[in-house]
Parts: sequence; structure tokens; C-alpha cells
Amino acid sequence: DIQMTQSPSSLSASVGDRVTITCRTSQVISNLLNWYQQKPGKAPKLLVYSASSLQSGVPSRFSGSGSGTDFTLTISGLQPEDFATYYCQRSYGIPLFGGGTKVEIK
Amino acid sequence: DVQLVESGGDLVQPGGSLRLSCAASGFTFSTYWMTWVRQTPGKGLEWVASIKEDGSQKYYYVDSVKGRFTISRDNAKSSLYLQMNSLRAEDTAVYFCATDRGPNTLDHWGQGTLVTVSS
Repeated sequence: DIQMTQSPSSLSASVGDRVTITCRTSQVISNLLNWYQQKPGKAPKLLVYSASSLQSGVPSRFSGSGSGTDFTLTISGLQPEDFATYYCQRSYGIPLFGGGTKVEIK
Repeated sequence: DVQLVESGGDLVQPGGSLRLSCAASGFTFSTYWMTWVRQTPGKGLEWVASIKEDGSQKYYYVDSVKGRFTISRDNAKSSLYLQMNSLRAEDTAVYFCATDRGPNTLDHWGQGTLVTVSS
């Protein structure tokens, strides 16, 4: 079975903190990985595509990195509007979402 | 601005049918792959089905919906559909439509429509 493992599943952080979320796939997927942000009651929003490309309009404090099987989403300087759930998603072959990482206020 | 508006979600009994619609505006609908994604508290986000720009290719990614769900589109009406038959309790979810700019990258989403399957 193809698996997408996000960690941590939740974290508490303060405004201004640097936050790192990781996503590991069970299959090599080159750079074919996307990151989404979802706020309660809203649809997911594309943040990063192809592992490291920032979607238009997304603040530069968000960045993505990685290739192969290990990927990272970093928020440099957490802002109040960044408290949300973040999902990785493989875009290679069968599309699959990770389980999500909830970023909460400390 | 791109706008996607889903409709058709409802409370339906097990074994029943529903047809979800997604009305698109603000972009050239006929030039985009389109996708349905569903979300439940238990299983998270699931990529349900995708359809090519001209409707000639359709893919279903959740094994349990194959043979029961049908994705379709009407480019003249800028609309996407999901026909859901033989509904089960586990189909209960919020269903989102989204534009897929490829490869498998969803850059615009609707607000979602809730489907509840229960007796």
C-alpha cells in the first residue's frame, strides 16, 4: 500500500515561531508533492506545489523542500492567520493526501 | 476570479442516490481537468475522481466508489457532476470540487457540500 505519513499530527507554537512539518512517502515520487492549508469550515488551499514552488499569492514565510521520499513544509515566523491544518499530497501516480498536521496556538 | 459552487448535498438513506453539481465561473472551464475530493473526520481527505477537459478520460481513485459513482461534465454549462448511487454510510462526507491544473494539483476549490447517508 502506498502511504503518506505526516508528522507531527499536531503541534503547539507561538506567533513568530519557526514551524516545520514533515511528510514521508512509501514510494519515491521525485518532487511531485504539494502542500495545502485548511482552516475550519473552509476548503483546502494550495500553498506549495512540486515540493518547493510557492503558489501565487502565498506569503514568502512558507517554503517547501525535499525530493524522493522525504519532504518538509516550513513556516518562518508563524502568524496568527497560519493556525490551521496542513496536508501534504502526492501528485505522482495515484494522488493521495497525508493525514494532516494541526498547528495550534501555544 | 475563479469560483466553484457545489450543490446537491443532502441527507439520503443507505442505498439511495444523489447527484452533486459544481458550477464554475471566472475561468475557461473546458481547458481544465476537474476533480472531486471528499473529507471525513475519520479518513481525512480522499481524492475521489477526476475528469479530463473534454470528458474523454475519467479516473476513480477510491476503490469503494468504483461502479457506484460517475463523474461527468458539461462544458457548455461550465458544470461538473458526481452521480452517486447505492450510497453507503461510509460515503458520508463533505464533497469538494476543484480545478486540477496538473499533475494532480488542485489550485482552486469550492466550499464543499455535505452528503449524509443515514437511515
